[in-house]
Amino acid sequence: DGGITQSPKYLFRKEGQNVTLSCEQNLNHDAMYWYRQDPGQGLRLIYYSQIVNDFQKGDIAEGYSVSREKKESFPLTVTSAQKNPTAFYLCASRGRGEFSYNEQFFGPGTRLTVL
Amino acid sequence: LAKTTQPISMDSYEGQEVNITCSHNNIATNDYITWYQQFPSQGPRFIIQGYKTKVTNEVASLFIPADRKSSTLSLPRVSLSDTAVYYCLVGRDQGGKLIFGQGTELSVKP
Repeated sequence: DGGITQSPKYLFRKEGQNVTLSCEQNLNHDAMYWYRQDPGQGLRLIYYSQIVNDFQKGDIAEGYSVSREKKESFPLTVTSAQKNPTAFYLCASRGRGEFSYNEQFFGPGTRLTVL
Repeated sequence: LAKTTQPISMDSYEGQEVNITCSHNNIATNDYITWYQQFPSQGPRFIIQGYKTKVTNEVASLFIPADRKSSTLSLPRVSLSDTAVYYCLVGRDQGGKLIFGQGTELSVKP
């Protein structure tokens, strides 16, 4: 049963703490993405990776870090430098098919709340 | 990347056909038009994608006029479960640069 998993579904953290959000896919996709969504807003791109051991900053990368050591995994760390981290975080992946230009597969999301 | 404009919200009733129009005046030659659906507290789901004329799948139809400056997502005979936010995107995934705007919040009533 192929897909993208994110864990945990809900996450609470105290101010000043770093926290890592997990994203795993078994779709054999090369590209993976992290988005942030605030209430009533669209998605904003944080980081993306086109291939293992390579990643690029998106539009709102400040206060976040990622790694891509394995094709299946793309964890996101929300650092204490992120000023307003409370949000819904979504991970996605995309294959390399000829007609899959804009077809990203999304995970169920992690809702992070900073207390 | 072409910017898109779509209505903030729409209301409909069960069994009706819903058409959501998206304008993208600055669409580039290589850009595709893609629509996603998102339910509350879930990740978006790809619905349909097209380049020109008409595309149809089991979920929706996508109409694209010759000048490609707009597109219309058509949902036939909506049900309550079609209540969601619908996003129109234009691009060709240039290194991950898909821009999700605010989307159109569709509310289907009984």
